[in-house]
Amino acid sequence: AQRVTQPEKLLSVFKGAPVELKCNYSYSGSPELFWYVQYSRQRLQLLLRHISRESIKGFTADLNKGETSFHLKKPFAQEEDSAMYYCALSGWSSGGSNYKLTFGKGTLLTVNP
Amino acid sequence: EAGVAQSPRYKIIEKRQSVAFWCNPISGHATLYWYQQILGQGPKLLIQFQNNGVVDDSQLPKDRFSAERLKGVDSTLKIQPAKLEDSAVYLCASSWPAGGRETQYFGPGTRLLVL
Repeated sequence: AQRVTQPEKLLSVFKGAPVELKCNYSYSGSPELFWYVQYSRQRLQLLLRHISRESIKGFTADLNKGETSFHLKKPFAQEEDSAMYYCALSGWSSGGSNYKLTFGKGTLLTVNP
Repeated sequence: EAGVAQSPRYKIIEKRQSVAFWCNPISGHATLYWYQQILGQGPKLLIQFQNNGVVDDSQLPKDRFSAERLKGVDSTLKIQPAKLEDSAVYLCASSWPAGGRETQYFGPGTRLLVL
């Protein structure tokens, strides 16, 4: 079974401060990991995926297979980063017929002025 | 490119009533997903279609939930009869190509309240 854990429900930082949203996963195979974001009154959308190794809106995330983590980081938070962030893992389903996306419970990030 | 469309956006019903949600995916997207998101939780996959065939419905409560994707395009999700615990946001997503590891594009969701 695959599982994604986001230990913080809420995270509050000041503008300009570094931010790290934690994500740990459990999966026996080779995972594909994503961060999705939902801004206020907008739909859920992809922020970044580990296979792309991109930096989106200043955010980066590194897959650490030893620690089974995929933490999201940004060196200087901006007020517009305030949103709900979901870590997600795509793994082979237990039924064995498809890849399935499993989400964590999400972390609500608030960046204060 | 037009995004994933869903309707209605909000629905309030009483328990034991039935309700249906509609989804129109992004044009050309072969895979369509329905998720249930209960307050305080992440989205949970209910059913996944590839074209008009079901790929995964292992977490769909089949005694009360049903879904179809006619002609491999639009999809409807039905709940009959609804229970209080079905109160949630129902998200539709689509992706291309088929496979499950590509980016999923989400609709705005339908917020269901069962009284």
